[in-house]
Amino acid sequence: DGGITQSPKYLFRKEGQNVTLSCEQNLNHDAMYWYRQDPGQGLRLIYYSQIVNDFQKGDIAEGYSVSREKKESFPLTVTSAQKNPTAFYLCASTLSAGSSYNEQFFGPGTRLTVL
Amino acid sequence: GQQVMQIPQYQHVQEGEDFTTYCNSSTTLSNIQWYKQRPGGHPVFLIQLVKSGEVKKQKRLTFQFGEAKKNSSLHITATQTTDVGTYFCAGTGGYQKVTFGIGTKLQVIP
Repeated sequence: DGGITQSPKYLFRKEGQNVTLSCEQNLNHDAMYWYRQDPGQGLRLIYYSQIVNDFQKGDIAEGYSVSREKKESFPLTVTSAQKNPTAFYLCASTLSAGSSYNEQFFGPGTRLTVL
Repeated sequence: GQQVMQIPQYQHVQEGEDFTTYCNSSTTLSNIQWYKQRPGGHPVFLIQLVKSGEVKKQKRLTFQFGEAKKNSSLHITATQTTDVGTYFCAGTGGYQKVTFGIGTKLQVIP
């Protein structure tokens, strides 16, 4: 069964703590993305990676960090520097970022609440 | 930078009525995609439009891409309760950058 998994589905953290969200895909996709979704704000791009060991900042990268050590995995760390981290986080992948056909496959999301 | 505006942000319709959501880009797009997100779920790909003036249909859904490749619309004929959700457009512009619209949240009243 191919797809994208994100864990956990719900996550609670205390203010000031770093937290890492997991994203794994077995679709053999080259490109992976992290989005943040807030009510009334749509999907905002945090970071993306087109190949292993390379990633670029999206529109709202401040307070976040990522790594891409393996093709299948693209974890996102929400650091204590992120001023308003409570949100729904979505990971996505596409076959190739440079392809003219770039359907994005989304994971189920992680809802992070910082108390 | 590239911006994709989507209207309306919310729409309530009676079951059986039609529904349309519109997207406008500040720049010419190479393609536009549409996604649907059910309440509590994640976005799911519906379709991609590439050609100027392209029209595609999926049962009761009709998707259009403008002649200038800067605007697009999704029209649902005779809405059903299963159509409830948020519909997003996503435009691909320069450097393959994908920008999502804010989404249109559709409520269907039975």
